[in-house]
Amino acid sequence: EAGVAQSPRYKIIEKRQSVAFWCNPISGHATLYWYQQILGQGPKLLIQFQNNGVVDDSQLPKDRFSAERLKGVDSTLKIQPAKLEDSAVYLCASSSYDGKLFFGSGTQLSVL
Amino acid sequence: DQQVKQNSPSLSVQEGRISILNCDYTNSMFDYFLWYKKYPAEGPTFLISISSIKDKNEDGRFTVFLNKSAKHLSLHIVPSQPGDSAVYFCAASGGGGGADGLTFGKGTHLIIQP
Repeated sequence: EAGVAQSPRYKIIEKRQSVAFWCNPISGHATLYWYQQILGQGPKLLIQFQNNGVVDDSQLPKDRFSAERLKGVDSTLKIQPAKLEDSAVYLCASSSYDGKLFFGSGTQLSVL
Repeated sequence: DQQVKQNSPSLSVQEGRISILNCDYTNSMFDYFLWYKKYPAEGPTFLISISSIKDKNEDGRFTVFLNKSAKHLSLHIVPSQPGDSAVYFCAASGGGGGADGLTFGKGTHLIIQP
């Protein structure tokens, strides 16, 4: 069974630029999550999708972050414009209905 | 406001001994708890979980204990092996084990010494 796929693995941008991350979840998993992990912290939930609908985006900085999952499968997370404090690993995860999340390898973002 | 706390940033244990990682939580609505293991440059991988209706769950060398009255859980690894060296995250959800977003602690870096 293929795992959660994410790209790119690494991204370096300058502040005020925009960036997008892509995620393809495990086949058949209806729920998809984006997490932000800042160095030395645990992952923090940004947004949760159930199929193509948003379940929870309470911690998403909506003035600069956006995410979509148009066909209920893969998803993109965008930051526009990026700030220095957005430097982090962005993790995508998916789950079925048993509460266990499966994570991709993440995208490491550096904002200079 | 940290709802899931792992107060030990790091832990060093001799190979073959028991590793005990601790986790405390403050939200009494949490009813499903998980431990994840993370190697550098990889995403977290699921290790073991426990529902609030249980106080113990065992899977091979890994056992998780839950003390609901103290809002405390622990992960025991016996015996510890070099491949267990990683960062361990405690996580919790309040959705009855359904597909809710997890709240994570900051992690404990476990180092197994030969």
